[in-house]
Amino acid sequence: QKEVEQNSGPLSVPEGAIASLNCTYSDRGSQSFFWYRQYSGKSPELIMFIYSNGDKEDGRFTAQLNKASQYVSLLIRDSQPSDSATYLCAVNGAGASKIIFGSGTRLSIRP
Amino acid sequence: GEEVAQTPKHLVRGEGQKAKLYCAPIKGHSYVFWYQQVLKNEFKFLISFQNENVFDETGMPKERFSAKCLPNSPCSLEIQATKLEDSAVYFCASSQDGTGPYGYTFGSGTRLTVV
Repeated sequence: QKEVEQNSGPLSVPEGAIASLNCTYSDRGSQSFFWYRQYSGKSPELIMFIYSNGDKEDGRFTAQLNKASQYVSLLIRDSQPSDSATYLCAVNGAGASKIIFGSGTRLSIRP
Repeated sequence: GEEVAQTPKHLVRGEGQKAKLYCAPIKGHSYVFWYQQVLKNEFKFLISFQNENVFDETGMPKERFSAKCLPNSPCSLEIQATKLEDSAVYFCASSQDGTGPYGYTFGSGTRLTVV
């Protein structure tokens, strides 16, 4: 079992709709959870951080964490073509000495 | 500076040759992390440093890979006797708080092609 699992996609969503990205992780001791966005040929950039159960909102982005189910999600409201990218879920590993990345979900927003 | 500077951007090596990659973290960031990205999205953790000390090296293939972060010098990742499977983009990232809420800032990566 991979430590961080994501559906690779591609996930195709119409412009203006809500995009929902999901992630599960295996280490119950993980404390910090991240979402990174990576455009093709570029480096990842941090878009959300969450550590408490529940929802965290930042503009059009909402991260959701459920530690009991070991599940993290990212919602993108009012999706724009510029949101088309690969979204990487990441979790801090044992001892918090590294962040472990999922293999990413490719999101495509169609006009 | 305010960016993580990785050099070179591209590196081509013949199988068996040595490859050396460099990373200058953001000033004030005391943590450095190296990752290998193959097949577009698989991010493999290699090694992390806190200042010049190894923080976690559980991802390093120790036979051929080595890394250093020395004071007043860019960090480096060296691959001895490269193999075709080492072809990947190598990302360096730095952070001010390890794996805390500020996350990582990534460099633009070094694309290594082994031929």
